[in-house]
Amino acid sequence: SAVISQKPSRDICQRGTSLTIQCQVDSQVTMMFWYRQQPGQSLTLIATANQGSEATYESGFVIDKFPISRPNLTFSTLTVSNMSPEDSSIYLCSVGGAFVETQYFGPGTRLLVL
Amino acid sequence: AQRVTQPEKLLSVFKGAPVELKCNYSYSGSPELFWYVQYSRQRLQLLLRHISRESIKGFTADLNKGETSFHLKKPFAQEEDSAMYYCALSSWNNNDMRFGAGTRLTVKP
Repeated sequence: SAVISQKPSRDICQRGTSLTIQCQVDSQVTMMFWYRQQPGQSLTLIATANQGSEATYESGFVIDKFPISRPNLTFSTLTVSNMSPEDSSIYLCSVGGAFVETQYFGPGTRLLVL
Repeated sequence: AQRVTQPEKLLSVFKGAPVELKCNYSYSGSPELFWYVQYSRQRLQLLLRHISRESIKGFTADLNKGETSFHLKKPFAQEEDSAMYYCALSSWNNNDMRFGAGTRLTVKP
């Protein structure tokens, strides 16, 4: 299994600002994923982040809104840009191996946008 | 397209009663199915996956390709089973996971 930490654990932000969420893994992993869990809804995949290449975004998510960095095999960041109240959500990072058999999730970052 | 459906948002049973959380999926290839659980104030964690045919905490789930279902079952529910349960699907050639909407299980004393 992998131990995953996220920072911050929660934040309250003003509309129009940006927040960068960090995800740290205790081992080297090929693929990292960013999910969003909006209130009362299920987890939705935002993007897949591979080290050394551009992130792959799912339909409905764009790089300008959710830029992602993956500088090495143990770390990734997700930025929520120009936030609006609709971005209020829990953001989770997860990791999987070269072949997804299981995914391990971070504790999540709870974001509230006022 | 991959899709996972959990028809029940809320499910409430009494302690000791059997419980079944429903999950149906649509996928044209060979899916891999999972159940994840999120206890109150804890992170999402893997409960079980169909490929290993295991029983975790008394829960089992059988993949029924004919009915495209992967229902989670436990013969005797315990209060500590109260949690949010997510069914998820992945595929052999993709590396992402699709989640159902989740079912909140409450086990009453």
